[in-house]
Amino acid sequence: QVQLVQSGAEVKKPGASVKVSCKASGYTFTGYYMHWVRQAPGQGLEWMGWINPSSGGTNYAQKFQGRVTMTRDTSISTAYMELSRLRSDDTAVYYCARDGTGDGTGWFGENALSIDYWGQGTLVTVSS
Amino acid sequence: QSVLTQPPSVSAAPGQKVIISCSGSSSNIGNNYVSWYQQLPGTAPKFLIYDNNKRPSGIPDRFSGSKSGTSATLGITGLQTGDEADYYCGTWDTSLSAGVFGTGTKVTVL
Repeated sequence: QVQLVQSGAEVKKPGASVKVSCKASGYTFTGYYMHWVRQAPGQGLEWMGWINPSSGGTNYAQKFQGRVTMTRDTSISTAYMELSRLRSDDTAVYYCARDGTGDGTGWFGENALSIDYWGQGTLVTVSS
Repeated sequence: QSVLTQPPSVSAAPGQKVIISCSGSSSNIGNNYVSWYQQLPGTAPKFLIYDNNKRPSGIPDRFSGSKSGTSATLGITGLQTGDEADYYCGTWDTSLSAGVFGTGTKVTVL
């Protein structure tokens, strides 16, 4: 069965960086795009960007450009999201989330957001 | 601030029906597919509807989706206490070249 298992909670000081990992299993890692989505306490879902695990290509939300880096290691089926220059309003649960579009062909048409599997979430707390 | 607008809350008695709206524009809902997610308290979102009106395997037919113009709706019939959750719509925004989610709707079973 498809599983996305994320790294554990982090506490960081303002200005620091955090790197969250997401290990995929139960499917062909390179066949599906991976999104990163965050949720601040008591708030809604916020899309951060996607990575194509096959090519390593990325697309970041404008809000995070310059601060976020999404990478992957295909040898261990793991995606990473690194956010730098952390601020207190970056305190949130961060999710990796597989896009089901393309049914494993590695295609993503940028005409839908069809997230069929989510990681369990990683709480990142930014506090001095 | 999300580009997709949902009502903050809806409620109904057990067994009744609720409809949740999701309003957008031509750059998102109007020309792209809509999905819906259920988020129970303290858990990750769950995939409910994709391509406007299709259900993933395992999702009961009590949940339905539709789209008209720049708006979409999620319907839940035969409401159960286990349906109490936050619900989000999502789609792609072509102008932003970004994924977007709705503001979220809390469903309460009275």
